[in-house]
Amino acid sequence: QSALTQPPSASGSPGQSVTISCTGTSSDVGGYNYVSWYQQYPGKAPKLMIYEVSKRPSGVPDRFSGSKSGNTASLTVSGLQAEDEADYYCSSYAGSNNLLFGGGTELTVL
Amino acid sequence: EVQLVESGGGLVNPGGSLRLSCAASGFTFNNVWMSWVRQAPGKGLEWIGRIISNIGGGTTDYGAPVKGRFTISRDDSKSTVYLQMNSLKTEDTAVYYCTTHVGEWWFDPWGQGTLVTVSS
Repeated sequence: QSALTQPPSASGSPGQSVTISCTGTSSDVGGYNYVSWYQQYPGKAPKLMIYEVSKRPSGVPDRFSGSKSGNTASLTVSGLQAEDEADYYCSSYAGSNNLLFGGGTELTVL
Repeated sequence: EVQLVESGGGLVNPGGSLRLSCAASGFTFNNVWMSWVRQAPGKGLEWIGRIISNIGGGTTDYGAPVKGRFTISRDDSKSTVYLQMNSLKTEDTAVYYCTTHVGEWWFDPWGQGTLVTVSS
């Protein structure tokens, strides 16, 4: 099974919204509501931002939201702030007790 | 405070073995499922495998790239999970993170990672 497909980079100006896509297949993203998103700063461990497609853990700003349509999941960051500049990874359950990650998207705040 | 601390990384020759440890604190370790995830230099995240709680049977599952070479185990008396890596290849070079399942297939928190370098 291949990694999920994310755009290598995304960008936006402070205050704007940016959406990062995560494309899989009907065997992973499209087949289960177990899509998660992680934020990672350089040299640091990932942090959970979204789980079960659209749920936010306690402490994650509501500027972060998730959705899914068919085989593509999306992470939207609204009201971009400088601190949102990081790498973002999606993951999805892929059946048979297997998990796939996306290749990651580097978000730049212009 | 919930904390995960990995150790055991280092330089190993191709074909060699290494065992990583992940010591947990700040929560009831016995009940949680644990996963290992790795990140090659400059690359994305890759799920290695998981071990469920001993109460749940202690079973393990692995990703395709490591199946048959890597083994995950746990010692609840030490609140520690292990990753035994055998027949190491240069492509196994990565930072290895341990992490806790807070749901079926999502993880939080993560340890700081330990670097494994496979090279002659």
